[in-house]
Amino acid sequence: DGGITQSPKYLFRKEGQNVTLSCEQNLNHDAMYWYRQDPGQGLRLIYYSQIVNDFQKGDIAEGYSVSREKKESFPLTVTSAQKNPTAFYLCASSPQLAGLQETQYFGPGTRLLVL
Amino acid sequence: DQQVKQNSPSLSVQEGRISILNCDYTNSMFDYFLWYKKYPAEGPTFLISISSIKDKNEDGRFTVFLNKSAKHLSLHIVPSQPGDSAVYFCAAAQGGSEKLVFGKGTKLTVNP
Repeated sequence: DGGITQSPKYLFRKEGQNVTLSCEQNLNHDAMYWYRQDPGQGLRLIYYSQIVNDFQKGDIAEGYSVSREKKESFPLTVTSAQKNPTAFYLCASSPQLAGLQETQYFGPGTRLLVL
Repeated sequence: DQQVKQNSPSLSVQEGRISILNCDYTNSMFDYFLWYKKYPAEGPTFLISISSIKDKNEDGRFTVFLNKSAKHLSLHIVPSQPGDSAVYFCAAAQGGSEKLVFGKGTKLTVNP
C-alpha cells in the first residue's frame, strides 16, 4: 500500500530536549512538507523540500530543523529553541510536475506534548 | 495578514440537506484551490480542487464553486450525511508554487 507514515503518534518532550518526528513516504513523490496545527488554527507551513538534499523555510521555521537525505524520508527536529512546541504535526508529500499544480497528501500526524 | 479566510468556525445541518462551506481569499495571484476534510487526530484528506480557469468542479456529492471577481469559493455537499461531520479546510496556491495557504477551517456537524 502506498502512503505516508508518521511516527510516533504521540511524543513527549522534556524541557531543553530536542525531539525528532519521522515522516516516510513510498509514493515516489519529490516534494515533502511539514505543517503545524494548533487548536482553532489552520495548518502553518514549517519547512518544505522539493528535491533530495534541498529544503526551504516555511512561515514558522524558527526552532525547527529538517533534513532530506533520501527521497522517501523528511524528518523534522523540534529543537529546544522552539518555545511553544505543543501542537499536532502533519507531514505531506506531492509529486513535482513542472508547470502543474499538484495535490498534497497528508500523513496521520504526530501529537507533540511538553512535559 | 490572513490570505485565506473561513469566517464560519462551525456549521450545523440536517442529514439529507445541503451543506455550504465558504472561503474567501485576498491574494489575486492564487490560481489553484483545494478543499481538505479532517477528522480529529488524523491528517487531512484531499476532497476536491479547482483551478482558476474554471468556475465549477463536481465530484459526486461535492461541488466547488469559484467566483474570481469576488475572491470567493464555496464547497457544496448534497445530500449531507452524518459521516461528513469533520473540519473542512480551504487551501490556495499560486502559479505552480508548492506552498499551500490554509484557512482556519470550518467544523461541519451533520445531524441525523
